[in-house]
Amino acid sequence: AQSVTQLGSHVSVSEGALVLLRCNYSSSVPPYLFWYVQYPNQGLQLLLKYTTGATLVKGINGFEAEFKKSETSFHLTKPSAHMSDAAEYFCAVSDRSTGGFKTIFGAGTRLFVKA
Amino acid sequence: DAEITQSPRHKITETGRQVTLACHQTWNHNNMFWYRQDLGHGLRLIHYSYGVQDTNKGEVSDGYSVSRSNTEDLPLTLESAASSQTSVYFCASSDSTGTGIGETQYFGPGTRLLVL
Repeated sequence: AQSVTQLGSHVSVSEGALVLLRCNYSSSVPPYLFWYVQYPNQGLQLLLKYTTGATLVKGINGFEAEFKKSETSFHLTKPSAHMSDAAEYFCAVSDRSTGGFKTIFGAGTRLFVKA
Repeated sequence: DAEITQSPRHKITETGRQVTLACHQTWNHNNMFWYRQDLGHGLRLIHYSYGVQDTNKGEVSDGYSVSRSNTEDLPLTLESAASSQTSVYFCASSDSTGTGIGETQYFGPGTRLLVL
């Protein structure tokens, strides 16, 4: 069965520092992987996704993630944090074993950015 | 611009009452989903629909129902509200690309429900 584990429910970084949000997945077949961001009092919006092809995926707002099959990971990074990056981030997986229309979300990681 | 809206944005109700949360999308998407978001659990799927007249149960469907009479709307009904159903509810939609794999979901702004 699919599952997603996000390591750390809260991450705090200083403005300008590297952002690293960790995500590991479990899937018996090649997965499709997503990162969504949720700003306060809003719905989720897509940051980036991996379907096939290049394993380094670039998203909006300077974020990127790398699919590492051997490590079953899809960690999200940004070289330099900005105050506006403070939000909750969700990793998600979708694969053929569940028919594909459904997506399994991780529990989320809240990012705090200190001035 | 296409969008997905939810109403009401906030709702307070009493235990035992029937409550319906509305979801309307103008993306013309085939697929629609209802999730609940609770601290420590992320988003959990309640019900989903692949098209008109199609509905399916998700992982936490007990006490909830949906119906899909047109492409744009997927209302969520709590048959008899319970305190355990206090949560934030999100509706989402996605377009079908044939395989159904790797689709981006578009989320509404959420409905915050308090059951007293």
